[in-house]
Amino acid sequence: GQNIDQPTEMTATEGAIVQINCTYQTSGFNGLFWYQQHAGEAPTFLSYNVLDGLEEKGRFSSFLSRSKGYSYLLLKELQMKDSASYLCAVLDSNYQLIWGAGTKLIIKP
Amino acid sequence: GAVVSQHPSWVICKSGTSVKIECRSLDFQATTMFWYRQFPKQSLMLMATSNEGSKATYEQGVEKDKFLINHASLTLSTLTVTSAHPEDSSFYICSAKGLRADSYEQYFGPGTRLTVT
Repeated sequence: GQNIDQPTEMTATEGAIVQINCTYQTSGFNGLFWYQQHAGEAPTFLSYNVLDGLEEKGRFSSFLSRSKGYSYLLLKELQMKDSASYLCAVLDSNYQLIWGAGTKLIIKP
Repeated sequence: GAVVSQHPSWVICKSGTSVKIECRSLDFQATTMFWYRQFPKQSLMLMATSNEGSKATYEQGVEKDKFLINHASLTLSTLTVTSAHPEDSSFYICSAKGLRADSYEQYFGPGTRLTVT
């Protein structure tokens, strides 16, 4: 079966750095997405990785290791507005997005 | 660019009635649109994939006669929840994929919160 694992909830302090991990086992792989979703709102795109390595985009970076079936989202200089759920999703061999359950990130002052 | 709208943003209806939700891609043409359902504190659950001009492909366990999907044009897809019941209360989100064959990013609408009383 297809499976994507991410921690259910994480807590971090404003101004700090947090890393949200995602491991996956899917039938084929055509890329991995990270989305941010604030409560009661639709997801918004953060990043897409299809090759191994680190992609940096401002305060957010995303890393992928295809051999390990592993990705992480790194958030630096945390702000209160970063409190949200972060969804990991993998594009499988049928180009279907398989979603993780999401990680709820709580930022404390 | 790549804006997707949904209407209505929230709706309350009585049990047994039908509700139609519209999903529009405002500034691009979407060959494929997706309909998701999300219950509180849970992840997105794909209900169906619709391609313009053809029948929608439903995920296992989703009743196609209850959740009617129409993708009549490259900018509009509709989801009709027929004979709604309280257990259908949920957050319904659509997303759209653009025309570029090498782009798999999905652009999400703002969602529709359905409450069935």
